[in-house]
Amino acid sequence: ELKVEQNPLFLSMQEGKNYTIYCNYSTTSDRLYWYRQDPGKSLESLFVLLSNGAVKQEGRLMASLDTKARLSTLHITAAVHDLSATYFCAVVAAGSYQLTFGKGTKLSVIP
Amino acid sequence: SAVISQKPSRDICQRGTSLTIQCQVDSQVTMMFWYRQQPGQSLTLIATANQGSEATYESGFVIDKFPISRPNLTFSTLTVSNMSPEDSSIYLCSVEDYQDGYTFGSGTRLTVV
Repeated sequence: ELKVEQNPLFLSMQEGKNYTIYCNYSTTSDRLYWYRQDPGKSLESLFVLLSNGAVKQEGRLMASLDTKARLSTLHITAAVHDLSATYFCAVVAAGSYQLTFGKGTKLSVIP
Repeated sequence: SAVISQKPSRDICQRGTSLTIQCQVDSQVTMMFWYRQQPGQSLTLIATANQGSEATYESGFVIDKFPISRPNLTFSTLTVSNMSPEDSSIYLCSVEDYQDGYTFGSGTRLTVV
């Protein structure tokens, strides 16, 4: 059974600081996704990572995937308040089509 | 990427009643997925709906409680039956869009009183 672990679950950071969210998963995976969820809203797709060594960047966020270590990271650079949200990683096990979600990281960026 | 219209966006229901949630996709898709997100929690897959066959339910979810219809390749419904306060959650449908990942509907926020 695929397990997805995210850490930290809660993150409070000051504006301008950098930080990394980690996503570990337990079995071989084809694909890994990062989503953002604002309170009361649905999920917004941030990154799709499909191969080992994949790195994608959008604004202050950068995601990477190491399939050998079964690890993905979401790096936040020079955080701003607008990044405050809950971030989820989700993984599809090899040969499957089902998403399994981590518990999410609730990020609060404070001035 | 696919666009999903989900409704209702929210509802407040009496315990013991049922609510049907609809998802309409703007393109044909093989599989549609239904998720539940309990307050402050992550997403849990309820079932996978294929057109022309019965939905496949995940452990802990049963057809009598969450009947699903999938009459064509662009539409699906999830019914939450005989509701109790423990069913208060956000329910989301999703489809796979390989290049853009999995796209989600806007969600249905259900409160059972």
